[in-house]
Amino acid sequence: DTAVSQTPKYLVTQMGNDKSIKCEQNLGHDTMYWYKQDSKKFLKIMFSYNNKELIINETVPNRFSPKSPDKAHLNLHINSLELGDSAVYFCASSFRDRGTDTQYFGPGTRLTVL
Amino acid sequence: KNEVEQSPQNLTAQEGEFITINCSYSVGISALHWLQQHPGGGIVSLFMLSSGKKKHGRLIATINIQEKHSSLHITASHPRDSAVYICAVRSNFGNEKLTFGTGTRLTIIP
Repeated sequence: DTAVSQTPKYLVTQMGNDKSIKCEQNLGHDTMYWYKQDSKKFLKIMFSYNNKELIINETVPNRFSPKSPDKAHLNLHINSLELGDSAVYFCASSFRDRGTDTQYFGPGTRLTVL
Repeated sequence: KNEVEQSPQNLTAQEGEFITINCSYSVGISALHWLQQHPGGGIVSLFMLSSGKKKHGRLIATINIQEKHSSLHITASHPRDSAVYICAVRSNFGNEKLTFGTGTRLTIIP
């Protein structure tokens, strides 16, 4: 029944590794987002896809690559992980094209890079 | 200086008190969101507003577009209202991204 789900919930890995976080929404939304919440709890947009097209791409290192195979999924792949990538990553979705734009958030993925 | 500023950063109150959290922004916006982040980390959208006032249960959100200011009020506060409340604005130009405030940590003491 979960509206926006993310896997895994926790991810602990070594510096230099490559990892992926997956997000799925079953709300029929047309837009999905990735946010990063740092240790000071500050949320910042990373990427947004609308109908599988990238519409927001903030100043994020090239090591981060989002992929949207369909409107219900938005995955985040991170290459060559660095200590500074440790954070909580939230996926969200909304009906952007309907103008309501209320966003529904996933539970977050806590990434720890050692 | 952040585009979105919240005050206070931390707020502790007794159960039953009327709570006000403020949000000021410096850019033109098409909408403002109030979010709640529970102690466990989950984020819930409370309100999205572009003008006037909205009410949901004990929560009331107001916005003054001319003054670039919004307030979130909680009436008859309860310990379960303890959370971080985050204001976010959607700019009305460019890629329309959401920009977030730094949050207000609210603690309601029984």
